[in-house]
Amino acid sequence: DAMVIQNPRYQVTQFGKPVTLSCSQTLNHNVMYWYQQKSSQAPKLLFHYYDKDFNNEADTPDNFQSRRPNTSFCFLDIRSPGLGDAAMYLCATSRVGSVNTEAFFGQGTRLTVV
Amino acid sequence: QKEVEQDPGPLSVPEGAIVSLNCTYSNSAFQYFMWYRQYSRKGPELLMYTYSSGNKEDGRFTAQVDKSSKYISLFIRDSQPSDSATYLCAMKFGNEKLTFGTGTRLTIIP
Repeated sequence: DAMVIQNPRYQVTQFGKPVTLSCSQTLNHNVMYWYQQKSSQAPKLLFHYYDKDFNNEADTPDNFQSRRPNTSFCFLDIRSPGLGDAAMYLCATSRVGSVNTEAFFGQGTRLTVV
Repeated sequence: QKEVEQDPGPLSVPEGAIVSLNCTYSNSAFQYFMWYRQYSRKGPELLMYTYSSGNKEDGRFTAQVDKSSKYISLFIRDSQPSDSATYLCAMKFGNEKLTFGTGTRLTIIP
């Protein structure tokens, strides 16, 4: 009964080759987040969607884009991955506007750039 | 100064001990407080969520929030080897993003 599902769990891509990571949720939450987490570091927010409204963090590189075609799905596109983009990418969801606003994470996609 | 400070550890305790994990924060606007457990190479798993000062208990876990001191704690009773993981505190206010601590790496020694 996974609630936030990320695919694939592991992704290997070539330097400079576009890659897309996907996230789906069964919680019907209105907010979806993408985080980047490098080894032994806290997750770093890249951007989030509040419903269809896209919110980019100021320090998120232009190389990272996102799409949310509907409530359930959200995609992270890395246009030209560099070696420094190798990390765990985490998708999370929350329901803003209610008391229970905690965020739930998927299992992550570990991206390797070769 | 970081908005959320968390001792990165590592912290090693014997099985059965009580574990205390702590975070301090500087932004008095934070309203919602969470503790996540993250096993190696997995996503963070929500353990505890609270939005008021005081204690909240769930099995062997107790979350404590002291808004006047800007201090939150997670206590683990009767610690088990399966509790070995990185524990992340996180907090937010309103519709704003989650702000994480750096995580404390915990090892329970059998």
